[in-house]
Amino acid sequence: GAGVSQSPSNKVTEKGKDVELRCDPISGHTALYWYRQSLGQGLEFLIYFQGNSAPDKSGLPSDRFSAERTGGSVSTLTIQRTQQEDSAVYLCASSLDGGDRGYTFGSGTRLTVV
Amino acid sequence: QKEVEQNSGPLSVPEGAIASLNCTYSDRVSQSFFWYRQYSGKSPELIMSIYSNGDKEDGRFTAQLNKASQYVSLLIRDSQPSDSATYLCALGGLTGGGNKLTFGTGTQLKVEL
Repeated sequence: GAGVSQSPSNKVTEKGKDVELRCDPISGHTALYWYRQSLGQGLEFLIYFQGNSAPDKSGLPSDRFSAERTGGSVSTLTIQRTQQEDSAVYLCASSLDGGDRGYTFGSGTRLTVV
Repeated sequence: QKEVEQNSGPLSVPEGAIASLNCTYSDRVSQSFFWYRQYSGKSPELIMSIYSNGDKEDGRFTAQLNKASQYVSLLIRDSQPSDSATYLCALGGLTGGGNKLTFGTGTQLKVEL
């Protein structure tokens, strides 16, 4: 696609429920990243996929968070048993290579856990 | 010490003035440096990248990099109200960081009429 597409744009969920966030990167981009941004805070790295290499999961805050990337394209970030502190904007980005030329971000998913 | 440090601001400048945004970093192995602009409620947008010491100009924007002093700055000439946003500094190639970017918390810029 022309840009990084994320869905849904907004998600309100009850505490304890599972949620899935979807990211469709720019066509041909081999690298895909997930970050989250809490209100008034900086961007917190979550996970990074590069081609067929094992993902860099070093930023996932707990084992309730997982992500997969199917066919080297679309990625899904899953948060199990959501907590109120999970409320944030989840941003996906992609890059043509390993990020040496910067990323292009999607418009994000605003997650609110009530 | 944080890996990437920025003054949170707000930095207020009058319309038409030069806005100077600064970023310092702690990891000397960083090789790539970026400035992102983020409007309120929107996602970050890449506006400048710089890889070698010196200045890089693009329109009203100039990025400056000094690896010896470990700082990178962004100058915005002829500031416009539409430049009011949060500016995020990002670094690539940090030690142990692989290919991901590490972001500062951003500086809020307000351009006043």
